[in-house]
Amino acid sequence: DADVTQTPRNRITKTGKRIMLECSQTKGHDRMYWYRQDPGLGLRLIYYSFDVKDINKGEISDGYSVSRQAQAKFSLSLESAIPNQTALYFCATSDVDQPQHFGDGTRLSIL
Amino acid sequence: DAKTTQPNSMESNEEEPVHLPCNHSTISGTDYIHWYRQLPSQGPEYVIHGLTSNVNNRMASLAIAEDRKSSTLILHRATLRDAAVYYCIHRHRIIQGAQKLVFGQGTRLTINP
Repeated sequence: DADVTQTPRNRITKTGKRIMLECSQTKGHDRMYWYRQDPGLGLRLIYYSFDVKDINKGEISDGYSVSRQAQAKFSLSLESAIPNQTALYFCATSDVDQPQHFGDGTRLSIL
Repeated sequence: DAKTTQPNSMESNEEEPVHLPCNHSTISGTDYIHWYRQLPSQGPEYVIHGLTSNVNNRMASLAIAEDRKSSTLILHRATLRDAAVYYCIHRHRIIQGAQKLVFGQGTRLTINP
């Protein structure tokens, strides 16, 4: 079983819809992160969380919100999806000062 | 944020060593250099990291220049499974215990049979 699980793996939706991407982990890590990857580019940080009570914006948080429901769960929401949010989304976790572990991504297409 | 510079693509042959270069001339004294790789249809995978000294692990070696302005990831004997995009990254410490990874475009490594 994967240590970092993202659902759904693929999603196609329409402009204006509300979308939630979910991430769960079994690694027991406090730190969780959401990234976005556009074709041919590296990952960019959207939001990160140090623990259940701590949420922080990354470099491209506009148009996104997150919820840390539990230590193991970190959700990313697009309140009103727009086509330029079409991308590959990755969740990651880490322990204190340790490398990040990534899920296999959610491919999101907004028509 | 500090940037890294890598070649867009490299090619090598199976069972030969591969040296992947990275320039990070604006790196600060406390930034670690991390390497991750991304295989097709997967999330990035940690490879190795270092601060000042050369580092070895089961996957690769990391050679860091004395002035820390460049580094080289070394795959000692490439296999077809090593074909991936390799990212050289600064790890900025946001606050104690949390990292911010700044990804560039990476190097797409092709391994020929």
